[in-house]
Amino acid sequence: QLQLQESGPGLVRPSETLSLTCTVSGDSITSTNYYWVWIRQPPGKGPEWIGSIHYGGSPYYNPSLKSRVTISMDTSENQFSLKLDSVTAADTAVYYCALWYVAVTGTGDNWFDPWGQGTLVTVSS
Amino acid sequence: DIQMTQSPSSLSASVGDRVTITCRASQSISSYLNWYQQKPGKAPKVLIYAASSLQSGVPSRFSGSGSGTDFTLTISGLQPGDFATYYCQQSDSPPYTFGQGTRLEIK
Repeated sequence: QLQLQESGPGLVRPSETLSLTCTVSGDSITSTNYYWVWIRQPPGKGPEWIGSIHYGGSPYYNPSLKSRVTISMDTSENQFSLKLDSVTAADTAVYYCALWYVAVTGTGDNWFDPWGQGTLVTVSS
Repeated sequence: DIQMTQSPSSLSASVGDRVTITCRASQSISSYLNWYQQKPGKAPKVLIYAASSLQSGVPSRFSGSGSGTDFTLTISGLQPGDFATYYCQQSDSPPYTFGQGTRLEIK
């Protein structure tokens, strides 16, 4: 059973870089069937897709964050990571990593499942 | 970006009731629409994918319908564990966007 767990600092100073890691257990992140995503959810709001990565492919980012975001993979640790530069209070949110499941039937159906438990990151001085 | 608009924003109902939540996309997304349930302090969990397909393990009292721009999530025979917040999400094209949520409360 695939499981994901986020880790990283819970407090980041304004203008600094937010760095989080997602550790995957239960299968290899290099599987050709798997795509990986970061999603965040500001307090009291709906989730926001940050970006996606697939082994052997280029990451894809939400245009609203593209200039500040980097998503990468560490296959030796079975992890993928998120870096968000120049953070402000507006980046305060619960950050989730998740599997982006794409149906093998070829229909194009896709959804986010499972998710990690999430980690709250607060941007404050 | 495709905007997803849910209604209502909140809803009060009783155990055993049948409730419907609607989601409208700002442009056609075919059937690329997913529904998630989120309980306080937990990650969202997918209930319905491809507008009407029930995720494995999800009770059959949950159902989804729609295509194009208008979609509905129906819960028939509300159970105590169903009181949560529900989100729709379009999976048609990036950036993949969510609705603002519908909070389902006990009456």
